[in-house]
Amino acid sequence: GQQLNQSPQSMFIQEGEDVSMNCTSSSIFNTWLWYKQDPGEGPVLLIALYKAGELTSNGRLTAQFGITRKDSFLNISASIPSDVGIYFCAGAGGTSYGKLTFGQGTILTVHP
Amino acid sequence: AAGVIQSPRHLIKEKRETATLKCYPIPRHDTVYWYQQGPGQDPQFLISFYEKMQSDKGSIPDRFSAQQFSDYHSELNMSSLELGDSALYFCASRNYGPGTEAFFGQGTRLTVV
Repeated sequence: GQQLNQSPQSMFIQEGEDVSMNCTSSSIFNTWLWYKQDPGEGPVLLIALYKAGELTSNGRLTAQFGITRKDSFLNISASIPSDVGIYFCAGAGGTSYGKLTFGQGTILTVHP
Repeated sequence: AAGVIQSPRHLIKEKRETATLKCYPIPRHDTVYWYQQGPGQDPQFLISFYEKMQSDKGSIPDRFSAQQFSDYHSELNMSSLELGDSALYFCASRNYGPGTEAFFGQGTRLTVV
C-alpha cells in the first residue's frame, strides 16, 4: 500500500526560529494535506494542496506540493510556543479524496 | 462554524464487549470517514461512506461494522472488543469530489480493559 515518510520525527527549537518538515512517498498523490494534532484531540487542517507545484501560505505556514506529486514540505516561520504539537502530512490518491494516508508525524517542541 | 461532532468522547469497555461510536458530520457534508489512531501512531483509515453507501474500505477488522444514516450521521459498531482496540477513533467529513478538505472530529478515546 501507499506509505508516506515524514521527517524529521521530532524537533526541538527556540521561539522565533523557522521550522521545516517534509514528506515523501513512493506513490503519486493528487492531494497533499498538512494537519496539526494536539494530544487527545483530532487533527486540525492547516493547509491543503491540490496541484503539483502549488505553493500555499496560511499565516506563518507555507507548504508546497512537489512537482513530482510524490513529496511535500511545510515551513513554519518565526515559531511561537503555541506551535507545539504533532504535525502530520497526509496524501490522497486517485479519486479517494478523503481516504488519507498519513505520515508518521513530526513532534514539534518550542522553547520560549 | 459547526464542526464534526463525535460521541462519546471517552469510553471504557471490557474485553469481548461491544461499543458503538457516533459521528455527526458538518452540515451539508455527504461523506464520512473513520480512522483509528493507536498510541504514538498516525491515523489509519478504516472505512468511508458517501450518501449512505460504503465508498471505501481500509484496515477495518471484521469485528467492526459501520453505516451512514439518512441524516448523514454515521456509527461505528465494534464487537468482541480486544485490548488492542484501545485507541483514538476519529471521524472526518467532507463534501464528495475533488478540491474539498476533510475535517476531523475531536475523536473518541476507547479503552478496553
